Amino acid sequence: NAGVIQTPRHKVTGKGQEATLWCEPISGHSAVFWYRQTIVQGLEFLTYFRNQAPIDDSGMPKERFSAQMPNQSHSTLKIQSTQPQDSAVYLCASSLGGGVSNERLFFGHGTKLSVL
Amino acid sequence: AQSVTQPDARVTVSEGASLQLRCKYSYSATPYLFWYVQYPRQGLQMLLKYYSGDPVVQGVNGFEAEFSKSDSSFHLRKASVHWSDSAVYFCAVSAATGNYKYVFGAGTRLKVIA
Repeated sequence: NAGVIQTPRHKVTGKGQEATLWCEPISGHSAVFWYRQTIVQGLEFLTYFRNQAPIDDSGMPKERFSAQMPNQSHSTLKIQSTQPQDSAVYLCASSLGGGVSNERLFFGHGTKLSVL
Repeated sequence: AQSVTQPDARVTVSEGASLQLRCKYSYSATPYLFWYVQYPRQGLQMLLKYYSGDPVVQGVNGFEAEFSKSDSSFHLRKASVHWSDSAVYFCAVSAATGNYKYVFGAGTRLKVIA
């Protein structure tokens, strides 16, 4: 079991460019979560999917951010027209998603996004 | 909506000393509560979780946490810290029903010194 895989580990973009971050959840896990981690804000919830369906995207900035889960094996977080304030570590996590909320989240190592 | 407050951004303790990291939560019903740890250059890992029963729950590596409904707290403790415990610790809360998103606190950075 390779755990949750996030690619790339580091991404550098210029202001205004697009960034796509990838997450491969643990096989068999049906819930996928995205978080953003910064020194100032800590761990901010962005969005999550269960069985590929979006359940809660209340943490997603309304403009420029979008997330998808086209199949069980991966999810993407896309940021259009990146801005310096988007610089952060983006974390993906998965859980079995059996319908109970006391499940353990398994986190990837994150993608560090730097917007110049 | 649930929220979590970790009032101490940084804590420094001597090796062998006892530790308490504070966590206060806000949620209208009984929540699920968690502590996660992030070691340098590693992903977050769960230390322990609590929903009901004995308010003191045991976790890995000698950590324990105590739930207090009256105080809305879930403080993490360890009797004797080791230098390898240096890490960032996050408290998290999740609803028991409905929307299962996990809300994390800002984290407490623990430094263990010799």
